[in-house]
Amino acid sequence: QVQLVQSGADEKKPGASVKVSCKPSGDIFSDYTVHWVRQAPGQRLEWMGWINPVTGNTRYSQLFLGRVTLTRDTSAITLYMELSSLTSKDTAVYYCARAVWFGELSPFDFWGQGTLVTVSS
Amino acid sequence: DIGLTQSPGTLSLSPGDRATLSCRASESLSSSDLAWYQQKPGQAPRLLIYDASTRASGIPDRFSGSGSGTDFTLTISRLEPEDFAVYHCQQYDTSPLAFGQGTKLEIK
Repeated sequence: QVQLVQSGADEKKPGASVKVSCKPSGDIFSDYTVHWVRQAPGQRLEWMGWINPVTGNTRYSQLFLGRVTLTRDTSAITLYMELSSLTSKDTAVYYCARAVWFGELSPFDFWGQGTLVTVSS
Repeated sequence: DIGLTQSPGTLSLSPGDRATLSCRASESLSSSDLAWYQQKPGQAPRLLIYDASTRASGIPDRFSGSGSGTDFTLTISRLEPEDFAVYHCQQYDTSPLAFGQGTKLEIK
């Protein structure tokens, strides 16, 4: 059973950046892409982008272009999502999720538990 | 970008009832690239159906999906108490990936 364990809740000031981690159990790096999805209160799920954990290649949603950066630490087997220039509209639960198929166009079969990021002055 | 609209927003039914949830795409999905998820409060979404009609691993057969093109349906044949939750559809036919706004299935 694959598990994705995310970092804990975080609170940031407007204008700051936040970095959320996602650590998979077992070695899933070689076979899957990992996506990030967020859910603001009362809003629909919103896709942010994906990363190939092996190569580090990334692709981002136009909605977040220039503000989001997905990275990985292969030695620590951990993935990261960093979002900059935060506003109150970025208050949301952020999820990492494993794609069923390698690549971008895929549903997601395993999800992290979610990380609440609160942006407040 | 392809948008998804789910209906109804809220569905009030009783255990044992049949539930029918709808998801409509703004453009035709060429390969029925549509998934359904269940989400309970405080939990991550759980994959139920992909490719419009294929049940994910471990999903009971009371859950079924159908549809093609722009109109898709999730049917729960006989509601169990644990089925009351929010259901989301997702298209993965074209980038950017997109989700519907969700249907809340509540106990009547």
